Amino acid sequence: GESVGLHLPTLSVQEGDNSIINCAYSNSASDYFIWYKQESGKGPQFIIDIRSNMDKRQGQRVTVLLNKTVKHLSLQIAATQPGDSAVYFCAENPPGKNAGGTSYGKLTFGQGTILTVHP
Amino acid sequence: NAGVTQTPKFRVLKTGQSMTLLCAQDMNHEYMYWYRQDPGMGLRLIHYSVGEGTTAKGEVPDGYNVSRLKKQNFLLGLESAAPSQTSVYFCASSYSGLAFNEQFFGPGTRLTVL
Repeated sequence: GESVGLHLPTLSVQEGDNSIINCAYSNSASDYFIWYKQESGKGPQFIIDIRSNMDKRQGQRVTVLLNKTVKHLSLQIAATQPGDSAVYFCAENPPGKNAGGTSYGKLTFGQGTILTVHP
Repeated sequence: NAGVTQTPKFRVLKTGQSMTLLCAQDMNHEYMYWYRQDPGMGLRLIHYSVGEGTTAKGEVPDGYNVSRLKKQNFLLGLESAAPSQTSVYFCASSYSGLAFNEQFFGPGTRLTVL
């Protein structure tokens, strides 16, 4: 899982294994969560999202689980491939402070987890 | 569509120099954002814009200025660069500021301040 500090958490898996990347988010009022993948030298790329009224959402080979009780988010990647090697970030959307509660999409990002997939 | 592009890709500055980073998007998005990414940390929001002619401060705005004179462009300026501004800068855009609208990111600009 993610933690404060200069060294990113790492996860090493074998090709074909399932991967689970964890994230602890900070704001219990956040209503939207996103997982991003960032490959070396590139910008973050959207993987999957989930709203706070859900506890599970599935995509292609990926599943996001949300546990609001303990403010925990996880990303599961099935049959991990070498192309999945990257840094994975979770992001939360805390509620806005204006009258309409709009946060203007101002996301709060976790520090990231390095996933390395060995052939 | 090119999506979100950033210019330049790399830059080295001396302390006290100024520069402008350019972000352009061709998706007709209303919202644009500037983030910085430091080693071992997630992205932190510097400034953002909710539409042409508007700008607002994010989490770490000090030492930066921005302008959104055209809808498709969002400029980030450093008036007097400091070594603490050495970072990778990412621009992003989204159709709206609603939480459920995906943010699309550019490839980043790696800035080193000596």
